[in-house]
Parts: sequence; structure tokens; C-alpha cells
Amino acid sequence: DGGITQSPKYLFRKEGQNVTLSCEQNLNHDAMYWYRQDPGQGLRLIYYSQIVNDFQKGDIAEGYSVSREKKESFPLTVTSAQKNPTAFYLCASTVQNRGIRGTEAFFGQGTRLTVV
Amino acid sequence: AQKVTQAQTEISVVEKEDVTLDCVYETRDTTYYLFWYKQPPSGELVFLIRRNSFDEQNEISGRYSWNFQKSTSSFNFTITASQVVDSAVYFCALSEARRGSTLGRLYFGRGTQLTVWP
Repeated sequence: DGGITQSPKYLFRKEGQNVTLSCEQNLNHDAMYWYRQDPGQGLRLIYYSQIVNDFQKGDIAEGYSVSREKKESFPLTVTSAQKNPTAFYLCASTVQNRGIRGTEAFFGQGTRLTVV
Repeated sequence: AQKVTQAQTEISVVEKEDVTLDCVYETRDTTYYLFWYKQPPSGELVFLIRRNSFDEQNEISGRYSWNFQKSTSSFNFTITASQVVDSAVYFCALSEARRGSTLGRLYFGRGTQLTVWP
């Protein structure tokens, strides 16, 4: 079945450490996104990538980094510079053909990151 | 700037009651898309509906219905005869469609936690 796989489901990080969240999709989608969700808040965009080897900052990119070396993969690294990394992280993907607009995003099951 | 407001933080109903979740949006674009997603306790977001700004026809899918009113910038979601399995967080979202926009990027409301009691 096609879909988006995020791993791990739960992640614990010590202060000062970098951690990488995995996101893999087999939907053949061009665009991928990382969102952060905090309690009582909607999802906020961290980074997005519309094509391989290219990515752009979203609204809250500070303290995060990404790469897009393969169409299927869009890992997110939470660096030690991120002041408050404890949150729920969701990866999404969309079709990005020119003729298709407003297509719905497909989401992974999320990674819950806790700083200990 | 795009903005989505879901004023209801939490709603509790008893099974079989009807419930409406409100969504108000702001955008300067004339073409845009609106979405509703459901987030069950497991965490993933489940797509429910997409509506483009040129189509104000209301939609019904089983117990779910959506009322899109461009005049009031609202896109409300009604669940008829609610069930315990409807308990989840529901998000309303908006997507740009103008040239140069980031296709597929969503602007979310803060979500409404719906609890349906047996």
C-alpha cells in the first residue's frame, strides 16, 4: 500500500544533541513537508521541498535542517539550536504536477519528540 | 496573509447528537482551497474533504456535511448522529492556488477537540 512512513514513533533526546527524524513516501509525490504540532496549536510549517535537491524554509525553520537527496525521502534534523524541540512532528507529501492544484496532503503517523 | 480560525477549542456531545465545527478563514487570494482533516488519538491526519473557492455547493458524505459560504468566509463541518468513533481533533486548513504560491502548503487552524460520549 502506498503511504508515508515516519520513524521512530517516539524519540527521546538529551539536551544538546542533534536527532534526525525519518520520512519516507512511496506515493511518487514530488513535494514533501515537515510540520510541527504543539498542544492546542495547529500545525506549523518547518521546511518543504518541491523537488529533489531543493528545499525552502517554512515559518519556523530555526533550529532545524533538512535534505532531499531522493524523491522518496525527506529527513528532518532537530539541532541543538532548537530551543524548545519537544513536540509532535508530522511529515506530509503532495502531488506537484503543474496541472494539479489544491491537491490534498497525505500525512505520516508522526514522531513524538521529547527532550529529557 | 492566510489565516484559519477555529474558535471552538473543545466540544463535548452525547452519542447521536448533531455537532457543527466552525471554521473561518482569511485570504486575499481569489482562488484557494479549503480542507478538513481528522486527527484520531493515533496521531496521523486523515483527509476528509477538499473544496475549491469557486465551488460553493454544499457537500454531504454519509453522516458528514460541509457548508461553504464565501460571503462569510466560513467552511463549517457538521456531523449528524455523532458516534464515539468520531472523537478526534478536527483541523480546518487553507491552501493557496495563485501563481508563485507553494502548491500544497497548508495553513491550519488550531483544531477542535471533539469528544463524543456514549
